[in-house]
Amino acid sequence: GESVGLHLPTLSVQEGDNSIINCAYSNSASDYFIWYKQESGKGPQFIIDIRSNMDKRQGQRVTVLLNKTVKHLSLQIAATQPGDSAVYFCAENQAGTALIFGKGTTLSVSS
Amino acid sequence: ETGVTQSPTHLIKTRGQQVTLRCSSQSGHNTVSWYQQALGQGPQFIFQYYREEENGRGNFPPRFSGLQFPNYSSELNVNALELDDSALYLCASSLEGGGPQPQHFGDGTRLSIL
Repeated sequence: GESVGLHLPTLSVQEGDNSIINCAYSNSASDYFIWYKQESGKGPQFIIDIRSNMDKRQGQRVTVLLNKTVKHLSLQIAATQPGDSAVYFCAENQAGTALIFGKGTTLSVSS
Repeated sequence: ETGVTQSPTHLIKTRGQQVTLRCSSQSGHNTVSWYQQALGQGPQFIFQYYREEENGRGNFPPRFSGLQFPNYSSELNVNALELDDSALYLCASSLEGGGPQPQHFGDGTRLSIL
């Protein structure tokens, strides 16, 4: 599958491939992280979250990995489908108020 | 379960005017946060309301103000509109207490300033 080590603004994959979207967060005190999917004309949609006391969490077709040592977060999407095409944002949260969003990655899935 | 709803969906204003945007939180949620999303950017935190009080504020001037009502719905008010206020305004609701919880977003109000 396609993967990137550093954040890239766009990622193009073929249907059925695995996708990996990376994100660097800024605050070592952040204790909660969320991945959102945003389709054109819509608000961000919750995908999966992870707390800082974990390093991996799995959902349906998605896995989030957290590396606190290098302040890095990744989202893995298995068997990517055309409906997964969207902009993906990671967000960090500290003390339960503001979500700080990373730079988005536009995922394009071709069939 | 009713999700977050925002109104209006689109709005056009001119410089110097005032605007009020509305948000109904997801059922069971008691906290509302507002974000501004410029084209091609990630959302930026404006402020959060919990128990009808402001509970955190981002780097936005005082002409951005808000309210939360007893039913947890919320308003965002912006005075003296500027061209740079053109953006998608997003409302998110969450349940405060018991550890971190995800914020769930509405589809936003697209505000255009002429």
